[in-house]
Amino acid sequence: DAGVIQSPRHEVTEMGQEVTLRCKPISGHDYLFWYRQTMMRGLELLIYFNNNVPIDDSGMPEDRFSAKMPNASFSTLKIQPSEPRDSAVYFCASSQYSNQPQHFGDGTRLSIL
Amino acid sequence: SQQGEEDPQALSIQEGENATMNCSYKTSINNLQWYRQNSGRGLVHLILIRSNEREKHSGRLRVTLDTSKKSSSLLITASRAADTASYFCATALIQGAQKLVFGQGTRLTINP
Repeated sequence: DAGVIQSPRHEVTEMGQEVTLRCKPISGHDYLFWYRQTMMRGLELLIYFNNNVPIDDSGMPEDRFSAKMPNASFSTLKIQPSEPRDSAVYFCASSQYSNQPQHFGDGTRLSIL
Repeated sequence: SQQGEEDPQALSIQEGENATMNCSYKTSINNLQWYRQNSGRGLVHLILIRSNEREKHSGRLRVTLDTSKKSSSLLITASRAADTASYFCATALIQGAQKLVFGQGTRLTINP
């Protein structure tokens, strides 16, 4: 079975550029989560969706960050404009139901120069 | 604010020994989960223990939960080099249990 698929795996771009991260959850999973992992702050939940609807975006750091889920098999996390402090590993995860384990992709390592 | 705090932050043991990691949390939970993360990879779910359970086993893993002390432990028995990874506890609150709050993790190194 295919797991959660994220692209790209690595992204290096200059400050001010728009960055788009992509995620394909496991088929049949109702929940999709976006996390950010840094050494300083650990793993932080940015936003999560239930049946394609954003439920809680309280972790999104600023208006520069936006996330969409146009259908059950695809989600994007966009940063515009990007800043060096956005450098981190961004993970997407999905789960079938509430109270169930989450399945993580291998992440996108983002470097903003 | 951090809900789960792991202890120790780093642990180095010899292959074949047992490894114990602890997690403390602050508020009432629906369940607590343990995840493993290998370098450069995503987190992998290991085990979920519900608030009404006290102990759970999965292969060489044993998890305990003490809700009165708001703490959990993960024991890996007969450790192997392949167990080298970071281990995270994650708590699901009673309200909004689909949302997990992760601790900072324990970095486990198994020396051959």
